[in-house]
Amino acid sequence: GESVGLHLPTLSVQEGDNSIINCAYSNSASDYFIWYKQESGKGPQFIIDIRSNMDKRQGQRVTVLLNKTVKHLSLQIAATQPGDSAVYFCADPPTGGYNKLIFGAGTRLAVHP
Amino acid sequence: DTAVSQTPKYLVTQMGNDKSIKCEQNLGHDTMYWYKQDSKKFLKIMFSYNNKELIINETVPNRFSPKSPDKAHLNLHINSLELGDSAVYFCASSQDFPLGSGRAIITGELFFGEGSRLTVL
Repeated sequence: GESVGLHLPTLSVQEGDNSIINCAYSNSASDYFIWYKQESGKGPQFIIDIRSNMDKRQGQRVTVLLNKTVKHLSLQIAATQPGDSAVYFCADPPTGGYNKLIFGAGTRLAVHP
Repeated sequence: DTAVSQTPKYLVTQMGNDKSIKCEQNLGHDTMYWYKQDSKKFLKIMFSYNNKELIINETVPNRFSPKSPDKAHLNLHINSLELGDSAVYFCASSQDFPLGSGRAIITGELFFGEGSRLTVL
């Protein structure tokens, strides 16, 4: 079966620093990955996605990198702000079929002033 | 305007009781979901409906019964509540683009509600 996991359960950074959240996946056939952010007391919110034909995708202050060789992806947040404090999930839907997102365990990002 | 709204936000009840959580989305999406998030923040899909039709039913006890009266609503009824049912339940919706034969273009973007925290005593 598929599994999506994260290397670090908690990441503490200083405000203004860059943050890197890592995620490993096991299904080499996976062709699409998504990052979600969940703030305290709220539901997860879509941040950015990447398809397997890409190595890198940039959004506003966020960049996702995909390394298919080692089945690893990362979410980089530039100039981390207090509002970035949240739990971040990577998710991996099965190829084909309807949405059935398999979420990783989540990494908590704590931003300190 | 709340895109995906679920009620109640908090629910405290005794073991053995029956309770329901309601969800409504005003996004015009075809697919709705229920996810369960445990105390360790692990999110697991329970059910998915597409146009009122059940398409995903993960190994959830049959004490959990989803009902979709129309594609904008997906309610979750739980019978004989147990301590282990304590969790935050999230409703979500997405707009998929069916390709036929049960396949769809997956956008990956689910819109989640704020969650309903269920505490079983």
